[in-house]
Amino acid sequence: GESVGLHLPTLSVQEGDNSIINCAYSNSASDYFIWYKQESGKGPQFIIDIRSNMDKRQGQRVTVLLNKTVKHLSLQIAATQPGDSAVYFCAETAPYNFNKFYFGSGTKLNVKP
Amino acid sequence: DAMVIQNPRYQVTQFGKPVTLSCSQTLNHNVMYWYQQKSSQAPKLLFHYYDKDFNNEADTPDNFQSRRPNTSFCFLDIRSPGLGDAAMYLCATSREGGAASYEQYFGPGTRLTVT
Repeated sequence: GESVGLHLPTLSVQEGDNSIINCAYSNSASDYFIWYKQESGKGPQFIIDIRSNMDKRQGQRVTVLLNKTVKHLSLQIAATQPGDSAVYFCAETAPYNFNKFYFGSGTKLNVKP
Repeated sequence: DAMVIQNPRYQVTQFGKPVTLSCSQTLNHNVMYWYQQKSSQAPKLLFHYYDKDFNNEADTPDNFQSRRPNTSFCFLDIRSPGLGDAAMYLCATSREGGAASYEQYFGPGTRLTVT
């Protein structure tokens, strides 16, 4: 149920632009998904979550979209700021087990001032 | 206030010399996790505790063991570290059941170097 990336794809955006980070998850029976932000030398930090009975959830400046048909998650960051520069991971729970999380391969976001 | 604390932040050990990494939490969460994260890779789940119940991942090497003596503390023991075990080790907690969110709280990690 896990996918591990050996090379991080990078997304470069201009400060103030919107960012869209994509993630493909592996198990159609997964019921819960989280987006994490990881800054260099730190542990992952929760950004936003979504249950499989939803297709969209909004937070402060962030929106998560879930497309169960194609097993795809996206994270949209509005008005991207330099402080948003980090690696972003999606994580899915194991089927029928909310206590186990598997991380997808991350995306490095570079915000240019 | 620190919620998930990992000690030490940096650990250097010799090839084959046992090493123990520590994690403590002030959140009173019943689930604790250990992840291994290598450079430019996603965190990989090694095992987790649901209360005192230990849950190993099928592909976690036998070289990795864990102990959870009480709710607050969890240890990762690497019995004979190899060069391939050099990585960041992340501890996380979550609270199972009842909450709308199953958010995991991560510690800052321990970076292990094997010489």
